[in-house]
Amino acid sequence: AQSVAQPEDQVNVAEGNPLTVKCTYSVSGNPYLFWYVQYPNRGLQFLLKYITGDNLVKGSYGFEAEFNKSQTSFHLKKPSALVSDSALYFCAVRDLNSGYALNFGKGTSLLVTP
Amino acid sequence: GAGVSQTPSNKVTEKGKYVELRCDPISGHTALYWYRQSLGQGPEFLIYFQGTGAADDSGLPNDRFFAVRPEGSVSTLKIQRTERGDSAVYLCASSLNGGLAGNNEQFFGPGTRLTVL
Repeated sequence: AQSVAQPEDQVNVAEGNPLTVKCTYSVSGNPYLFWYVQYPNRGLQFLLKYITGDNLVKGSYGFEAEFNKSQTSFHLKKPSALVSDSALYFCAVRDLNSGYALNFGKGTSLLVTP
Repeated sequence: GAGVSQTPSNKVTEKGKYVELRCDPISGHTALYWYRQSLGQGPEFLIYFQGTGAADDSGLPNDRFFAVRPEGSVSTLKIQRTERGDSAVYLCASSLNGGLAGNNEQFFGPGTRLTVL
């Protein structure tokens, strides 16, 4: 079985400060890990993915994520937050041993204040 | 280029009625997925198509739910005898290819918000 945990329902950060949105996962095999962002009344947008290789993955809009196998984590980060980054963020995992679907976390709401 | 499109954007129906939700994937994408997102939750997998065939329908909650993709492009999710608990946003996604080794990201449509009264 595979699962994803996003322990924070909401993250608040001031504009210009660094942000971190946490994600931990559980899979039986090697994971493929993804981050998506959802703006109000819009579909999920792909941010970045980890498949293999360098543990630090860079994605869209200045976001990056670090794969940590020993801690089974894939936290999303950005060095300097923008008000426009305020949205709902979803971590997802795909376990090659478990099939084709993405297994999503429940989401973390990010609020960046001016 | 055009992304994944879904119609209708909103659907309100009465308990017991039949509904169809349509998904147009990105052109050339062979893999298509349906998910359901309830309020305050992440998307939950329903079914995956590779080409015309349903390669994995393990997420369909019961036999009231059915999906087709007859020509390997457009897909229709069909729900019979709708219940109030079916109310959710139904998301469609496509990727360039799927398969067990596929690592392509899935591109999502805007969803269809289904409300069952």
